[in-house]
Amino acid sequence: GNSVTQMEGPVTLSEEAFLTINCTYTATGYPSLFWYVQYPGEGLQLLLKATKADDKGSNKGFEATYRKETTSFHLEKGSVQVSDSAVYFCALSDKGGTSYGKLTFGQGTILTVHP
Amino acid sequence: DAGVIQSPRHEVTEMGQEVTLRCKPISGHDYLFWYRQTMMRGLELLIYFNNNVPIDDSGMPEDRFSAKMPNASFSTLKIQPSEPRDSAVYFCASSGRQGLPYEQYFGPGTRLTVT
Repeated sequence: GNSVTQMEGPVTLSEEAFLTINCTYTATGYPSLFWYVQYPGEGLQLLLKATKADDKGSNKGFEATYRKETTSFHLEKGSVQVSDSAVYFCALSDKGGTSYGKLTFGQGTILTVHP
Repeated sequence: DAGVIQSPRHEVTEMGQEVTLRCKPISGHDYLFWYRQTMMRGLELLIYFNNNVPIDDSGMPEDRFSAKMPNASFSTLKIQPSEPRDSAVYFCASSGRQGLPYEQYFGPGTRLTVT
């Protein structure tokens, strides 16, 4: 079956530091890949996505590239801000079969950014 | 658009009582998902519907949990009888093929505390 593995957290950084959160996946088909973010007290919201190999998703200074050869979708940001403190979830979605429309989430990585 | 609406936002109840959580998906979306989030188990998919029909309920923990979607604009998740281990944040999410592929829009969640 499908699975998503994220790097262990929590991650603590100083403002303006470089961020990487690793994500690898296992899937039988050709999934779409996503990063969702959850701010304190809120539901998850889509941060960025990539639907095929070598696609790069980007939003709010965050980037992730769909690497089929390494089955990875690592999240990066060049300079984090205190407002980026949140929980980040990597996820995948199969494009067909009985699991159409369903997302498989990683366990989440807590990011805390200090001033 | 109002987004996914969940009610109540907070629920405190005693063990053994019936609890009903409500969700109104985004208009036009044909998928609806119920998730549970706890510190110990992370984010778990409980059940999801397509066009008001349950597709996968394998995540429903036990017979005490039931979910219905009587029409395209309303769904309920019921726990009867409730137990302290059901304490969690319950999220509803919806998605539709007309939007970004497989992007799920989450509601703000219902924080359930069972004493």
